[in-house]
Amino acid sequence: QVQLVQSGGEVKKPGASVKVSCKASGYTFSNYGISWVRQAPGQGLEWMAWINNYNGDTKYAQNFQDRVIMTTDTSTSTAYMELRSLRSDDTAVYHCARIRGGTHYYMDVWGKGTTVTVSS
Amino acid sequence: DIQMTQSPSTLSASVGDRVTITCRANQTIYNWLAWYQGKPGEAPNFLIYKASTLESGVPSRFSGSGSGTDFTLTISSLQPEDFATYYCQQYESFPWTFGQGTKVEIK
Repeated sequence: QVQLVQSGGEVKKPGASVKVSCKASGYTFSNYGISWVRQAPGQGLEWMAWINNYNGDTKYAQNFQDRVIMTTDTSTSTAYMELRSLRSDDTAVYHCARIRGGTHYYMDVWGKGTTVTVSS
Repeated sequence: DIQMTQSPSTLSASVGDRVTITCRANQTIYNWLAWYQGKPGEAPNFLIYKASTLESGVPSRFSGSGSGTDFTLTISSLQPEDFATYYCQQYESFPWTFGQGTKVEIK
């Protein structure tokens, strides 16, 4: 079945970077995109960024435009999200999600999430 | 950015109840709306897209309606596994935005 398996939790110091991986299985990775969404403790869902594997198009929320780097490795069906210059308010669970659609895309399959804790 | 507002924030209900959650956009999103179910420690579960199209495998007790700026998610007969937080999300334009969530708790 379609599945996204994310890397394990991370603890980082302020100012550092974190790289989260998201390994896809059960579908042709290059035919779909990947989106990243985070949820801070006690908060709702916040969309971060989007990469379309089919044409390489990327979209970012303004809050992450300068701090997020998304990459994909089609040979291993893995997407990566690197968040730089970490702050304490970046402490959150980070989810990857497959994007699907035609003229408009949506997130149909999600990973369980990777907990990133930013603390000095 | 398009702002999404859900109501209520919390809803207390019993098994078997009919539950309705409202989601409002501050500008038209046509029918480009999705609904998700979230439980702690789990991957969010995708329920509905294009405002009213049920994702394959989602129980038929879930339904969505609306267009333009006003949308609803209805659970016709609440089951024990439905106690969770529900989010609407617009994908009409970037940045994608979510409602703040509606927690459905046991009465």
